[in-house]
Amino acid sequence: AQKITQTQPGMFVQEKEAVTLDCTYDTSDPSYGLFWYKQPSSGEMIFLIYQGSYDQQNATEGRYSLNFQKARKSANLVISASQLGDSAMYFCAMREYHSGNTPLVFGKGTRLSVIA
Amino acid sequence: ETGVTQSPTHLIKTRGQQVTLRCSSQSGHNTVSWYQQALGQGPQFIFQYYREEENGRGNFPPRFSGLQFPNYSSELNVNALELDDSALYLCASSREGLLSYEQYFGPGTRLTVT
Repeated sequence: AQKITQTQPGMFVQEKEAVTLDCTYDTSDPSYGLFWYKQPSSGEMIFLIYQGSYDQQNATEGRYSLNFQKARKSANLVISASQLGDSAMYFCAMREYHSGNTPLVFGKGTRLSVIA
Repeated sequence: ETGVTQSPTHLIKTRGQQVTLRCSSQSGHNTVSWYQQALGQGPQFIFQYYREEENGRGNFPPRFSGLQFPNYSSELNVNALELDDSALYLCASSREGLLSYEQYFGPGTRLTVT
């Protein structure tokens, strides 16, 4: 069964600093994808970054990068040069591909607060 | 591209009532998934519709049902509402049939059951 663990309920970071949000996962499927979403107080889930299990390089999207350590089953999100607008809930999610696309399984999230 | 839209934005219902939530998929997407997000939790998968058929379901009772229409829009129906049904309901659309990975979420419908 899939499982996503986010151990940091809340994080604080100074504006312009980098921050790492932790995510570990558990799956027996060799083919899977890992996702990070941002959820502002408005509620919409905003896709940030994706990492496939067979991708050789860590994914990057602008200020977001994913530190993928397959052997440790971790997929930490790194946000560089934090901005006040980065304050939100962040969710790590996974889907398995062994039988087509399965639904996303989410962690409980981490609330990030950026301090001026 | 037109994004995913949901209606209504907010809704207040009484226990025992029935509710219908609506979702319009992103242009070109043929699959709709519904998630329930309770306060302080991550979203939980309810079910998914592909080509107007339910093709995946999470651990939710039958009183949660859905429809997908030929234009790929979708409805989520919940009968006999319970207090624990109070949550944010998120709709996500994607283009399945190949190993596409992105699901685009709508802004959600916040349901309060009193």
